[in-house]
Amino acid sequence: GAVVSQHPSRVICKSGTSVKIECRSLDFQATTMFWYRQFPKQSLMLMATSNEGSKATYEQGVEKDKFLINHASLTLSTLTVTSAHPEDSSFYICSASTGAGYNEQFFGPGTRLTVL
Amino acid sequence: QQQVKQSPQSLIVQKGGISIINCAYENTAFDYFPWYQQFPGKGPALLIAIRPDVSEKKEGRFTISFNKSAKQFSLHIMDSQPGDSATYFCAAALDSWGKLQFGAGTQVVVTP
Repeated sequence: GAVVSQHPSRVICKSGTSVKIECRSLDFQATTMFWYRQFPKQSLMLMATSNEGSKATYEQGVEKDKFLINHASLTLSTLTVTSAHPEDSSFYICSASTGAGYNEQFFGPGTRLTVL
Repeated sequence: QQQVKQSPQSLIVQKGGISIINCAYENTAFDYFPWYQQFPGKGPALLIAIRPDVSEKKEGRFTISFNKSAKQFSLHIMDSQPGDSATYFCAAALDSWGKLQFGAGTQVVVTP
């Protein structure tokens, strides 16, 4: 199956700093990428949908100025958590799809963010 | 507003037994129903998926049963193994490449 990578796998930062998480589709072109957040023992919550070359669409309640998403190419999307606070500590997961046909979404391995 | 409801929250089954997880949905426009397996600290991985034009799909030890009129679908794990111990999520979407609505998840523990 197709491979999606995330970098870094875990990051620890101080409160008030910004953190960038990369999501890459390694062997296919992803016209659409999704970003999810998952708190311990909870389900995945969709944060935003990004399409290559256009602005991301954020889910209700997600601060777009705090969670900046850039889908600059067909293989790379980035999530930047700006001015991170302890409550932003979570497991961030991306998924990617080709956006057409009967293709599934492929999930990345996730990034554990801890804000001190 | 949770569009996909999943039960049970947790499940303990003996090795060789059958694990059954149930999900119900509200939106009749959903056209794609996948199940994901997630191990601690890892991203979810697609196990098996079904579309509403079939009532059952089997892949190895994993079977999805789908009841369109009841708006319910379930995952059966046959001959459960300790390596199956994980959290399982059902989901629904308008199409396979679109936004997924996840259930709350079921933690399955398979005892030796």
